[in-house]
Amino acid sequence: SQQGEEDPQALSIQEGENATMNCSYKTSINNLQWYRQNSGRGLVHLILIRSNEREKHSGRLRVTLDTSKKSSSLLITASRAADTASYFCATDAFYNNDMRFGAGTRLTVKP
Amino acid sequence: DAGVTQSPTHLIKTRGQQVTLRCSPKSGHDTVSWYQQALGQGPQFIFQYYEEEERQRGNFPDRFSGHQFPNYSSELNVNALLLGDSALYLCASSSPAGGIYTQYFGPGTRLTVL
Repeated sequence: SQQGEEDPQALSIQEGENATMNCSYKTSINNLQWYRQNSGRGLVHLILIRSNEREKHSGRLRVTLDTSKKSSSLLITASRAADTASYFCATDAFYNNDMRFGAGTRLTVKP
Repeated sequence: DAGVTQSPTHLIKTRGQQVTLRCSPKSGHDTVSWYQQALGQGPQFIFQYYEEEERQRGNFPDRFSGHQFPNYSSELNVNALLLGDSALYLCASSSPAGGIYTQYFGPGTRLTVL
């Protein structure tokens, strides 16, 4: 079964705008990761945030984690057409090696 | 440095047949996980192999089996194919040394069952 739920399911913005995607999960986690997938191909790892971290940055990406609310957000600043893809959050728990993915947010960035 | 590779890229089978998918992990990785991704859904964990043994398994029937070889490459076998097995099958490799569990995914194998 899937652990996380991304919100919104789909998001359409103009190039240059910021995109925010949210992820909620159900059980305690060890790490939370965000992945990008272009047109049904393999997933590309974007960023990992540990359960004891609250915020992390990588280039134009900013991830926050609120373990009390069991939620995370991914912010992409100054979006580009090339950011058009599906974005997934995935969690792994302590002593549990399988990763649980949500259904993803489909982001469309219009030039 | 080669990333995760999978073969074949696409595969068409008929109901009841058997299929074998292959995966070579990223250099330096010793753990391979397999996922099934139905259209419009997120990946679902099938199982994970480490040291040639199945370490963990998701909620998939015994028709799904796997193997890991001494060189860490892996195979996913699916018997008695059903229409519902049509999906993108993703392989991911990792090396959990240091406690950081980041998986690197291959491009996937698109399986169509007719």
